[in-house]
This record gives sequence, structure tokens and C-alpha cells, in this order.
Amino acid sequence: SQQGEEDPQALSIQEGENATMNCSYKTSINNLQWYRQNSGRGLVHLILIRSNEREKHSGRLRVTLDTSKKSSSLLITASRAADTASYFCALLDNTDKLIFGTGTRLQVFP
Amino acid sequence: DARVTQTPRHKVTEMGQEVTMRCQPILGHNTVFWYRQTMMQGLELLAYFRNRAPLDDSGMPKDRFSAEMPDATLATLKIQPSEPRDSAVYFCASGPPGGTGNNEQFFGPGTRLTVL
Repeated sequence: SQQGEEDPQALSIQEGENATMNCSYKTSINNLQWYRQNSGRGLVHLILIRSNEREKHSGRLRVTLDTSKKSSSLLITASRAADTASYFCALLDNTDKLIFGTGTRLQVFP
Repeated sequence: DARVTQTPRHKVTEMGQEVTMRCQPILGHNTVFWYRQTMMQGLELLAYFRNRAPLDDSGMPKDRFSAEMPDATLATLKIQPSEPRDSAVYFCASGPPGGTGNNEQFFGPGTRLTVL
């Protein structure tokens, strides 16, 4: 399956700490995207990294991509309680569909 | 503030009833996706349209589910007859022209369906 597998499934940290989530996949990709979902809401796009890129930043977010290891990581620095949400990686396959991973539930305690 | 809208936001129905969910994609977007989210299965792609034409509905149970785009401003997902196992949150998402190759998908707020 092309679905991304995310690790860890759940993560609890204190405000101010960094949160790292990982996504592994099995086949080649065109790009990889990260989305956030607050409880009871739709998903919101955070950042996209193309297959020829290795690292990308957006505010407190840093995404890395290692195509040789077929893995990506999302780092949230200086976390805030408002970062509490589920985070999903999504892989773009060769039919132009996004296949979403299983998600990491992040809890940030004030 | 452009956003994807979905109606209804919540639906409770009895087994065997027909359910119709509606989605208005962002004006100018030409790709529309229907997803289903459950605790057990996560987020599953049900159907995918580009320029109103269905490109892929392989994730959708064909015997009871149907998806259409009567026009560029409306996408519908219908379940007939509904079953308790259809209980889930159904999301619609749209994407701008150029495909999703380098673009994000914009999600609606979802329809929470409960089939009793």
C-alpha cells in the first residue's frame, strides 16, 4: 500500500518543547504534504515538499524528506497548546491522488 | 474568504434511508475529492473528479454509493440504502487547476453521518 505510516501514533509534550513526527512510505512519490486536523474539523494544509527537495521551512514548521529512506519528518518548534491536533502526511501518487497516512495525535500541555 | 462548504454538517438517519451530502468547492477549483474518515480506517478516498468528470471512484462501494457533479459549483455523494457501517465523517476537498501535483487540497468542515 502507498499509504504513509506515521510514527508515533500519539505524542504528548509540554509547551515550549519541540514535537517531531515521522512518516514512512513504500513507493516513489511526486511530492509529500503535511496536513493538520483539529478535533471535529476538516484538514488544513501545512506544507508541501517535492521529491527533489530535502528540507523546507514554514514558520515554526520544518519538514525533511529522505527519498532514499522513503521517509519524511515534521518538526514543530517551540510548541504551543494551540498546536494540539492530529497531523497527517499525504503522498501524491502517480494518478494525482493524495493518499493520507494514519496520523499522529499531538497533545501539547500548557 | 473562499472555502469549501458542505451540507448538512450533521445527519442522523435510520438504516435503509437515502442520504445525500452536498459540497460546494471553492470557485475556480476544478478538482473535487470525497473522503470518509473513521477511527478504524482513517481517511479513505472515495471518489475524485476533475472538470466534473469522475476520474477515480475505486474506493467507493458501488452498490450503494454514488458521486456526481451536476455542475461546477456542486458535488453530491449519495448513499442508498444507508447502513450502520456507513457512519463516519465525510469530507469534501477541492483543488485548483493544474492538478494536485504541486497544489494543496482545501477541505470542507465535513458531514458527520450516523446511521442507526
